[in-house]
Amino acid sequence: EAQVTQNPRYLITVTGKKLTVTCSQNMNHEYMSWYRQDPGLGLRQIYYSMNVEVTDKGDVPEGYKVSRKEKRNFPLILESPSPNQTSLYFCASSQGTGGNQPQHFGDGTRLSIL
Amino acid sequence: AQSVAQPEDQVNVAEGNPLTVKCTYSVSGNPYLFWYVQYPNRGLQFLLKYITGDNLVKGSYGFEAEFNKSQTSFHLKKPSALVSDSALYFCAVRVTRGNTGKLIFGQGTTLQVKP
Repeated sequence: EAQVTQNPRYLITVTGKKLTVTCSQNMNHEYMSWYRQDPGLGLRQIYYSMNVEVTDKGDVPEGYKVSRKEKRNFPLILESPSPNQTSLYFCASSQGTGGNQPQHFGDGTRLSIL
Repeated sequence: AQSVAQPEDQVNVAEGNPLTVKCTYSVSGNPYLFWYVQYPNRGLQFLLKYITGDNLVKGSYGFEAEFNKSQTSFHLKKPSALVSDSALYFCAVRVTRGNTGKLIFGQGTTLQVKP
């Protein structure tokens, strides 16, 4: 089954404790992206990757890191999480890099930073 | 600045009535436009897209959307709403000039269909 898998689905942690949210897709998609969803703000793009070893900032990259060493994986790293990063996070992927293909989303990761 | 606006936080309709969820955008160049739906505790699901061509596009679950270049709008419509259509709907724009990796979402509109 074609899917985007995020782990963990839920995480409660404390300020400053490094964490990684994994994202994996099995569709051989070139494009992958991370978003955060906050009430009243919709989804905001954190980082995206057009292909392996190619990443770029979205609209809200501060406090986050990503890497794309393999085509299928695109982990999101919070080196020193803070309470304002408490949010619902989504990973997505799409075919090609031209932008005309829809994105496939994971089911989300709810992070709570205390 | 590039942006997408969904002017209504919530739309309420009765089952069987037509529905419209509004979206306007402001981007440079010719945009690629998308609608997604989100059910509770799930990721977004693709409904339909406009890339080029016919201004009326048809998508999943009987939804359609009309692209209006002069009004920079891309409203989502359905002739007859179902209770199961109740969900959170997002309009999104992919820029086509310059940095084509960026995707901009509206803030979302909750659709409530009452029996």
